[in-house]
Amino acid sequence: AQSVSQHNHHVILSEAASLELGCNYSYGGTVNLFWYVQYPGQHLQLLLKYFSGDPLVKGIKGFEAEFIKSKFSFNLRKPSVQWSDTAEYFCAAHGSGGGADGLTFGKGTHLIIQP
Amino acid sequence: GEEVAQTPKHLVRGEGQKAKLYCAPIKGHSYVFWYQQVLKNEFKFLISFQNENVFDETGMPKERFSAKCLPNSPCSLEIQATKLEDSAVYFCASSQAPRAYNEQFFGPGTRLTVL
Repeated sequence: AQSVSQHNHHVILSEAASLELGCNYSYGGTVNLFWYVQYPGQHLQLLLKYFSGDPLVKGIKGFEAEFIKSKFSFNLRKPSVQWSDTAEYFCAAHGSGGGADGLTFGKGTHLIIQP
Repeated sequence: GEEVAQTPKHLVRGEGQKAKLYCAPIKGHSYVFWYQQVLKNEFKFLISFQNENVFDETGMPKERFSAKCLPNSPCSLEIQATKLEDSAVYFCASSQAPRAYNEQFFGPGTRLTVL
């Protein structure tokens, strides 16, 4: 069965610290991968996505993620976090065959940035 | 519109009552998805549509949940005889393309509280 796991449920960092949030997936075939962010009181927004090609993906707001096929991982990184990065971060996956079924989400990582 | 719209924002129902949630996808998007998020944890995929046709309903608890996407009307998710465990935030998402290029845009959600 397809699944996505996020290792850290809560992360607390100081401003300017570097960030890495772990994400591992389990899928039978080719997979598309996503990171979504949910700021307090707001809806899910797409940070970045990987479909194919360069495994290092750049997203919005200085975020990036690296697809490592051999490790079934798609970790999210940011070199220097800001207070405004406080939010819930969700890794998601989708098999890239035909059809339109839903994304499989991880349980989320609650990131708190302390000023 | 340019954003996925969901109504109502909040919905409170007594156990056993009916609940109906609405979603207007982004104009031009053919695919609509419903997700359930319980206790700010993982998202559970419920059902997807391609225009007015059900595409994948593997996540739907069919005995009480139903959904429709009719032409020229918002999509709807209806829960007959709500139970306490139906309390959750229900998110709708839409996308332009099928699974292979599946960037989904999420609405703000409807928070359903069953008392």
